[in-house]
Amino acid sequence: DQQVKQNSPSLSVQEGRISILNCDYTNSMFDYFLWYKKYPAEGPTFLISISSIKDKNEDGRFTVFLNKSAKHLSLHIVPSQPGDSAVYFCAASANTGNQFYFGTGTSLTVIP
Amino acid sequence: GAVVSQHPSRVICKSGTSVKIECRSLDFQATTMFWYRQFPKKSLMLMATSNEGSKATYEQGVEKDKFLINHASLTLSTLTVTSAHPEDSSFYICSAPQITGVRETQYFGPGTRLLVL
Repeated sequence: DQQVKQNSPSLSVQEGRISILNCDYTNSMFDYFLWYKKYPAEGPTFLISISSIKDKNEDGRFTVFLNKSAKHLSLHIVPSQPGDSAVYFCAASANTGNQFYFGTGTSLTVIP
Repeated sequence: GAVVSQHPSRVICKSGTSVKIECRSLDFQATTMFWYRQFPKKSLMLMATSNEGSKATYEQGVEKDKFLINHASLTLSTLTVTSAHPEDSSFYICSAPQITGVRETQYFGPGTRLLVL
């Protein structure tokens, strides 16, 4: 049972434009969410996180939005750069434990 | 951010042999570490939780006798794939949590590519 879902397996965006990656979850106990970036044959790199007490967190070009009522979060990258081309995973955890549940990933391609 | 290393980065072995993969937290201590396996075109699958000073906790469907985990110190966890078979070929990733902000964040190692011939 996939508790965290990324329904878009791939996304292509022109350099300089905004990239929006989406993530949905089903478990209402999740209260902490993270985005990771992964290059082929490397481990995931932490990008940005958000707690359920907030609905937005911004770090440079990366902004994560959380809509708790819709159980939906999104990662905005603006402006997108070719070096952002990678697979992006969203992850969620509940306060009851430290296990993280990952989405299946979205492969982002930023076209120069 | 925190740094987690893995060794080796890639290993090729014959079927039936055992392979040990190390995961180290370089600048912080971790009483808990996690081992994941990534299947092609699929998400990271949590295999087990490595606990310093006690037995590892395995996820359902993961054979504990095949994937031996030892958390030798606060900075080292090892995963040993015993009697490896070609179907064990995969990308294995470890992670260790550290407090950042209000909650723990998982920091991942670079991964180990295992190919069993």
